[in-house]
Amino acid sequence: GAGVSQSPRYKVAKRGQDVALRCDPISGHVSLFWYQQALGQGPEFLTYFQNEAQLDKSGLPSDRFFAERPEGSVSTLKIQRTQQEDSAVYLCASSLGQPLNTEAFFGQGTRLTVV
Amino acid sequence: QQPVQSPQAVILREGEDAVINCSSSKALYSVHWYRQKHGEAPVFLMILLKGGEQKGHDKISASFNEKKQQSSLYLTASQLSYSGTYFCGSVMKTSYDKVIFGPGTSLSVIP
Repeated sequence: GAGVSQSPRYKVAKRGQDVALRCDPISGHVSLFWYQQALGQGPEFLTYFQNEAQLDKSGLPSDRFFAERPEGSVSTLKIQRTQQEDSAVYLCASSLGQPLNTEAFFGQGTRLTVV
Repeated sequence: QQPVQSPQAVILREGEDAVINCSSSKALYSVHWYRQKHGEAPVFLMILLKGGEQKGHDKISASFNEKKQQSSLYLTASQLSYSGTYFCGSVMKTSYDKVIFGPGTSLSVIP
């Protein structure tokens, strides 16, 4: 595709509900990242995939958060039993190469509001 | 291990210059700069890979002092379109598989 696409753009969930956020990276991009951005803050790293392998999940805040990229392209971030503190914008980014030296392209994000 | 940015916010008149600083307590492989406008995705500006490297495009440039673990972003002759929040991202030598972003510097350019 032309860019990184995320869906839905907005999601309102009742506390305790499970949600699934989708990311379609740029075709051919090896690296995929998920970030969480609270209002007025910088993006906080959640997890990193290289193709289908999840190489780093050190930023996932709890075991309620789970991410997958089974075929090395589309990725899903799942949050179980949502809490109010999960409210944030979830950004997905992809890049052609390694994070060290390659620019990342970000999607528009999914704004999650937990009520 | 989040990098520190300064200033937190700056207001400029069109045509004025600004410097945004970024520093890390950890040894760095690279520094990345992004700009995010309100409600939009962060957009890549540049990556600095080597100590002493300087890069630029248009009237935005940056430098990287590897020894001091610091980077600075220079905006000269600012334009209205430069308004947004600027984030520096650091890739640390201890965990080079991710970019860790700072808290951001809000830049407002007014006519």
